[in-house]
Amino acid sequence: NAGVTQTPKFQVLKTGQSMTLQCAQDMNHEYMSWYRQDPGMGLRLIHYSVGAGITDQGEVPNGYNVSRSTTEDFPLRLLSAAPSQTSVYFCASRPGFFDEQFFGPGTRLTVL
Amino acid sequence: GENVEQHPSTLSVQEGDSAVIKCTYSDSASNYFPWYKQELGKRPQLIIDIRSNVGEKKDQRIAVTLNKTAKHFSLHITETQPEDSAVYFCAASRYNQGGKLIFGQGTELSVKP
Repeated sequence: NAGVTQTPKFQVLKTGQSMTLQCAQDMNHEYMSWYRQDPGMGLRLIHYSVGAGITDQGEVPNGYNVSRSTTEDFPLRLLSAAPSQTSVYFCASRPGFFDEQFFGPGTRLTVL
Repeated sequence: GENVEQHPSTLSVQEGDSAVIKCTYSDSASNYFPWYKQELGKRPQLIIDIRSNVGEKKDQRIAVTLNKTAKHFSLHITETQPEDSAVYFCAASRYNQGGKLIFGQGTELSVKP
């Protein structure tokens, strides 16, 4: 199993540009989530999903959209990038509620 | 919504000493509390977790305790080693918000040889 994969690893955007961060898992996990990590602020939940076709907002959803058309994929879309979205983004998945959550390697995003 | 507060933000101990990290949560219905370790430049990884029907859980040198009445839980690391140096995160979740796992702000633990 490849586990949780994320692309790209690094990305630089200009203010106002849009882009999609890709996340995929090959473990047939129902639960998937997106977090952003900023110094001193821990891991903040952006959006999450409990299965294909089901998504919900986390702590900091503004400026981001998600969709879950398949169990495997959970892309995160930045609609109009802002410097405040400069961060490291982690995708994560787990089989069920009481199960270990596995993180992807992260995407380091810089918005100029 | 759920809020998780974690203290301290940094912790420095001598090798062999114990380390304790504390978290408080706001949602009394939370029933799952994992702890993650993140080494520099790497992704977070689960080290231990506890469910609300258990007061304490141990795994070798690490243990977690839960006080539901006070809504706080703690990570205890005994006989610390330099390789324990990392950032530790607590988290909380409740079953009817299944995918919503909320993390604390993190504790940077430094173990000095």
